[in-house]
Amino acid sequence: EVQLLESGGGLVQPGGSLRLSCAASGITFSNYAMAWVRQAPGKGLEWISLISGGGAGTYYADSVEDRFTISRDNSKNLLYLHMNSLRVEDTAVYYCAKTTGDYDTSGLYDAFDIWGQGTLVTVSS
Amino acid sequence: DTQMTQSPSSLSASAGDRVTITCRASRFIGSYVNWYQQRPGRAPRLLIYAATSRQSGVPSRFSGSSSGTEFTLTIGSLQPEDFATYYCQQSYSTPQTFGQGTKLEMK
Repeated sequence: EVQLLESGGGLVQPGGSLRLSCAASGITFSNYAMAWVRQAPGKGLEWISLISGGGAGTYYADSVEDRFTISRDNSKNLLYLHMNSLRVEDTAVYYCAKTTGDYDTSGLYDAFDIWGQGTLVTVSS
Repeated sequence: DTQMTQSPSSLSASAGDRVTITCRASRFIGSYVNWYQQRPGRAPRLLIYAATSRQSGVPSRFSGSSSGTEFTLTIGSLQPEDFATYYCQQSYSTPQTFGQGTKLEMK
């Protein structure tokens, strides 16, 4: 069974940093691009970042570009989101998601077929 | 960025009803539209990918269609477990974007 398990969320002050992790099991991790999607309290889904299977291709939403960095360690089946200069508006549940891999390992064009349970990040003083 | 305008934002219906949710893209995105269901407190679930393909395990009452830049999710006969929030997503170009969501409520 494919499973994704996020960790690393918590309370952080504005301007602070946090690193989220997503542990994958049940798949050949490097075959699939991975993504982070967030959801602010009571709001809709927001795509924030995508990384290709090999890690060379990375993409970001405008709202997090230059502040967040997506990375992966394929030897450990781990996906990361490094978040710097956090703002109150970054408060959200952060989900990691696996792409379907229907086209190639870039992740472009694919849907997200497996999601983690989410980890809550609260940015507040 | 490609905007996905989803409508309606909320919808009241009864079990057994047929409902339709629409997303309109602000530019050409081919057939790279996906639909997700999200129940309260849960992660999203993939229903439809590439506009019309049903994900494995998804009941046949869920279907997707497209016409140009307009994409539709139809639920053929609502079941109690279908009352949830639905989102479209375009995966044609980055940044990928979601629609605002449609909350389907029981009448």
